[in-house]
Amino acid sequence: GAGVSQSPSNKVTEKGKDVELRCDPISGHTALYWYRQSLGQGLEFLIYFQGNSAPDKSGLPSDRFSAERTGGSVSTLTIQRTQQEDSAVYLCASSFYSYNSPLHFGNGTRLTVT
Amino acid sequence: AQKVTQAQTEISVVEKEDVTLDCVYETRDTTYYLFWYKQPPSGELVFLIRRNSFDEQNEISGRYSWNFQKSTSSFNFTITASQVVDSAVYFCALLFTGNQFYFGTGTSLTVIP
Repeated sequence: GAGVSQSPSNKVTEKGKDVELRCDPISGHTALYWYRQSLGQGLEFLIYFQGNSAPDKSGLPSDRFSAERTGGSVSTLTIQRTQQEDSAVYLCASSFYSYNSPLHFGNGTRLTVT
Repeated sequence: AQKVTQAQTEISVVEKEDVTLDCVYETRDTTYYLFWYKQPPSGELVFLIRRNSFDEQNEISGRYSWNFQKSTSSFNFTITASQVVDSAVYFCALLFTGNQFYFGTGTSLTVIP
C-alpha cells in the first residue's frame, strides 16, 4: 500500500517568509511524528500526535513552529518568519500506535532558507 | 533521562568484511523497545528491527544480526560479509512508555568495493 507521503519534496524560501510542509500518513495510522534532520545530524524530535489527544509539542524549537493534524490524518507543519538555521530535512513518520509499533517514515521535505 | 548513544560517527570497511555498529542506551524504564533504522543515500528511513526489553534473545536475519545485552545497556548491530548496498546511515532508537522515540546521532557506514 501507499507509504507516508510528504510534500513538497524540496522547498527554497527567502528568510522571513512562512512555509507549510505537508504530511499524509499511512491510512489507519493513529500516531504521527515530525522530526528535523540537519545536515549530517541525527533526528531531532519536533511534535507528536496520537489520535484525538493533545499533541506533544515539547520538541518545537520556538514559537515560530506550529503543527496541526486535521481529521486525525493529514498534518501540516508551519514555520513562520523562516530563518537560515531552519534549513534542514523535515521528516514525517506514522505508526498504528506509537507504543512498540515501528515508525514508517516519508522521504522528507528538504527546506532551504536563503 | 532517556538517551541513545552511537559513538561511531563514521565507519569504512572493505566489501565482504564484517562490521558491528554500536548502540548504548539509557533509560529508567523497565519496559522499553529498541529499534534499528537504515537511511540509504536516497534519504528514506527504513525500519530494520524491534526488540523489547524483556527479550534478550539475539536475532539473525540473513547477513544482519543483533546483540541485545541489558547488563551493558547495549543493542549492537552486526553486518556479516558487507556489501556496497549496505552503505547508509544507521540509527538506533529507544521507545519507552512516554511514547516518544529517542534516536541516536547515527553511524555512517561506507562499504568500499
